[in-house]
Amino acid sequence: QKEVEQDPGPLSVPEGAIVSLNCTYSNSAFQYFMWYRQYSRKGPELLMYTYSSGNKEDGRFTAQVDKSSKYISLFIRDSQPSDSATYLCAMSIIQGAQKLVFGQGTRLTINP
Amino acid sequence: DAGVIQSPRHEVTEMGQEVTLRCKPISGHDYLFWYRQTMMRGLELLIYFNNNVPIDDSGMPEDRFSAKMPNASFSTLKIQPSEPRDSAVYFCASSLIGVHSTDTQYFGPGTRLTVL
Repeated sequence: QKEVEQDPGPLSVPEGAIVSLNCTYSNSAFQYFMWYRQYSRKGPELLMYTYSSGNKEDGRFTAQVDKSSKYISLFIRDSQPSDSATYLCAMSIIQGAQKLVFGQGTRLTINP
Repeated sequence: DAGVIQSPRHEVTEMGQEVTLRCKPISGHDYLFWYRQTMMRGLELLIYFNNNVPIDDSGMPEDRFSAKMPNASFSTLKIQPSEPRDSAVYFCASSLIGVHSTDTQYFGPGTRLTVL
């Protein structure tokens, strides 16, 4: 079993829809949780960063962490075609520790 | 800043040949990472360096893979001999750890390797 599980999709939704992306993990020691966005033929780039449990909002994006369930989510409101990309969750045990564990990534397409 | 620079962007080679991938991290960053990405396995960490010193190479698949960082502005990942199963996109990333670190790793554009 992988430490971090993420449904690879693909996921296709119409423009304007609310998108929910999720990851589950098995290591309860994870404390820091990230979402990276990767456009086609590009490297991943950090989108959201959260510590421990709770919510964090940035514009149309909301990241949620539920440590009791070992479950994290990324919500995208009013989705746009420009949001079409692969979204990877990542997590680490210690802040500043560089060994991130990535999910497999979910490929998302927003249809105009 | 130009970001993380990788070369070549594409590499096609035949089985058994030596392949060298190159990376220039963001100036001032003290960590450098090499990842491999495939559809089946996702993004896997191969090795990472801190201040040019290899810290963890447990992700290097086998002895055919080696990585070096001779100075703060250059690193190589070498595969010798290459095999078709090495076909993947190889990413280099760099980061800077400080008091307010958010574990942000900055990725390069990747090298798409095809071994025939």
